[in-house]
Formats: sequence, structure tokens, C-alpha cells
Amino acid sequence: AQSVAQPEDQVNVAEGNPLTVKCTYSVSGNPYLFWYVQYPNRGLQFLLKYITGDNLVKGSYGFEAEFNKSQTSFHLKKPSALVSDSALYFCAVRPDTGRRALTFGSGTRLQVQP
Amino acid sequence: DAGITQSPRHKVTETGTPVTLRCHQTENHRYMYWYRQDPGHGLRLIHYSYGVKDTDKGEVSDGYSVSRSKTEDFLLTLESATSSQTSVYFCAISESGGSGNQPQHFGDGTRLSIL
Repeated sequence: AQSVAQPEDQVNVAEGNPLTVKCTYSVSGNPYLFWYVQYPNRGLQFLLKYITGDNLVKGSYGFEAEFNKSQTSFHLKKPSALVSDSALYFCAVRPDTGRRALTFGSGTRLQVQP
Repeated sequence: DAGITQSPRHKVTETGTPVTLRCHQTENHRYMYWYRQDPGHGLRLIHYSYGVKDTDKGEVSDGYSVSRSKTEDFLLTLESATSSQTSVYFCAISESGGSGNQPQHFGDGTRLSIL
């Protein structure tokens, strides 16, 4: 069975500073990895995905994520945080074969201070 | 935004009553999912569908049933609601093409309170 760990319930960062939201995963076979963001009272919005190829994936709103197979990690990053980035972030994984349902981490709340 | 509508958006009901939540999509996507979101658990899969009348259980399916009689509609039913089913419920859809690496797109959720 697959699993996702987001070890930090909350990450605090000052506006303009770089941010990292951590994610590690466990899956049989090759992983498909996803990051989603959730704003209050809204559904999850897709940010980026890793399927294969380049380990550095670029996504929406200036976010990027680095896939590290040896460390089974897929950390979300942004060079310069904005106050508007404050939200709940979810990492998700599924294997590259079999059923398509995702397994989500428990989420990390990002708070960007002005 | 993907054309996904969940109804109702909010519902309060009593223990033991039946509840049906509806997810309607206008994208003609093959795959549809129901998740519940609870603090500390992220999103957990309840049921999903890979086509009309084709459904499968997720990790927290006990107490829930689903039906999909049309491509665009996926219904989630709580036959006899319990307080432990108080949660926010999300529907998601995804395309069927390629190798299945398309992201899921989510509705805005239904907040269900069972008293």
C-alpha cells in the first residue's frame, strides 16, 4: 500500500524568503507525484506533478518541486514567498500502474508573514 | 476551473437518517472519486468510479455506497448517517487518456454535519 508523509503541520516563512514544504512517499513501483493547494472553503487546486523525466518540476504560481528517488521525497519549493501563498498544501502519490486513486498526505499549512 | 458541481454545499442532519450527496461534471471525464477530509488525515478515498456502473471501494468505504448511472453524475449515499461521518466531502474527476498521469480536479466540497 502507498503512503505519504508531510512531517510539518505548519510552515512559517517571511514574505520574500524561499519556502520549502516537505513530502516523502512510499509506493510500489514508480510513483506519480502531485502537489495540490487548498484555500479556505474551496476544493483542492492542482499545482504540479512528477511523472517521469527531469527531477525538477515547475508548476503554477511560481512553485516547483524536486523529485529525489533515493530519498523518496518530493519537496515543494518557491524562491520567494508571497502572503497570498498562505494556504493548506497537500502532497499525493499513486503508482504508475493499477488503479488511479491518489493517496494524500495529511497536509501542511503554509503561513507567509508580511 | 473544471466543471464540477457538488450539491448540497452544506447539510445538517440527524443520526440515523439517509443522506445523498451529488457530484455533477460537465467535462465528460471517465473517472470520478469521492473523498472525505478530516483534520490530521488529509483526504481519504471513499469510493471511485471508472465508468458508468463501474465503481470500486476506497480505504474508508464502510457506511457509504455510490452509484453512477450517467457519465456526468456520481452519487454518494450514507444509508444511516452516524456522527463519525461528519466531515467535508469532496468529489474529484480525472481524464481517461494517456497513461493515467492526469491530475484530478476537485469540486468545492460539501460540509456535512450529523447531530
